Order: sequence, then C-alpha cells, then structure tokens
Amino acid sequence: KQEVTQIPAALSVPEGENLVLNCSFTDSAIYNLQWFRQDPGKGLTSLLLIQSSQREQTSGRLNASLDKSSGRSTLYIAASQPGDSATYLCAVIDGNEKLTFGTGTRLTIIP
Amino acid sequence: NAGVMQNPRHLVRRRGQEARLRCSPMKGHSHVYWYRQLPEEGLKFMVYLQKENIIDESGMPKERFSAEFPKEGPSILRIQQVVRGDSAAYFCASSSLTSGSYNEQFFGPGTRLTVL
Repeated sequence: KQEVTQIPAALSVPEGENLVLNCSFTDSAIYNLQWFRQDPGKGLTSLLLIQSSQREQTSGRLNASLDKSSGRSTLYIAASQPGDSATYLCAVIDGNEKLTFGTGTRLTIIP
Repeated sequence: NAGVMQNPRHLVRRRGQEARLRCSPMKGHSHVYWYRQLPEEGLKFMVYLQKENIIDESGMPKERFSAEFPKEGPSILRIQQVVRGDSAAYFCASSSLTSGSYNEQFFGPGTRLTVL
C-alpha cells in the first residue's frame, strides 16, 4: 500500500528566503507526482505535475524534482513571499488513477 | 471554461439525516473522483466514476455512502443517516478521457459538511 510522507509538517521562514519542501513515497511504481497548494477553507490548486519519466518541472518561482528510485520529491520555492503561505500537498498516482496524498506541510512566510 | 463546480459549499445536517453533495466536472471531462479530508488529516480517495459507471470504490465506507455519475447531470455523493464522524470537507476532481496515460485531475472548491 502506497504511503506518502511530508516533512516537516510545518515551516516558518522569513520573506525572501528560498525553501525546500520534502515528499517521500514508499512504492516507486508511480505514474506521476503532483504538487498542490491548499489555502485555509479552500480547495486545491495544482502547482506542478511531474510525469514518471521526468526528473523535474518548473513554473515561475517553483521547481519540483522527482527521484523515483529513492521515492523522493522536493518542491523548491525561490524568493518566498507572504502570499506563498498555505499548506502544500504532494500526491502520487499509480495505475489505478487515484491520488494518494501526503498530510501536507503548512508553510508560513513571515513578512 | 468554468472549473469543477461543487454545491453546496457548506452543508449542515443533524445526525440521522441524509447529505447529498453535487459535483459538476469541467467541460469535456468524463472522469470524476471524490476525496474526503477529515479534520487534521490528509485527503483520502473515496471513489472514481465515469459516466454511468463506478470504476473504483475502494475508498468508500461500506455502509451509508454511495456515489453516482449519471449520463446527464452532476455526480452525486450521497451519505445516508449521517453521524458526527462524517463531518469533513469533501472534494471532487475531474479529468479528461485517458488514452493509456494519466490525465491531470482538477479539483473543485469542496463541500464542507458539518453534522450536529
């Protein structure tokens, strides 16, 4: 059974710093990995999707990497801003078309 | 192109009542997924449907919960005889027709169910 872990559970950093969020998964037989953002009381916004054949994806200040063999992914956020404060979720998908989510990292950017 | 729509956004029910949650997928999407987020927990898969078919319901509780995606109209997640433990945020996602590879799932804003 696939298990997804995100460490740390919470993170606070001063505005302007670069930061890395970590995600690990137990079963490397995944199709894709997706990073989401969830604001309090809101839905999920997809940030980046990495296909299993890819090693990284970039969108603006965000860069996500994937190492299937070691069961790890990282989300790098450059030059953090207060608006980046949210819970970040990673999720993996296997051949059954369903996402398995981690419990998330609650990020707070301190102005 | 409107995104995934869910209604109601907030739903309050008393124990023993029924809850009906609706999800309209993005235009052109024929796959719908329901996920549940219990307080202080991660999102958990419940059920995966295509039009008129349940593809995978391995995450659905065995009793009181059912889901459908009719040929016309929204997908419905139905919870009978709700209990306090059903209080959660229920999210719907949709994706387009697959052709052997995964298509990205797009999420709705969720329905927050509170059982009194």
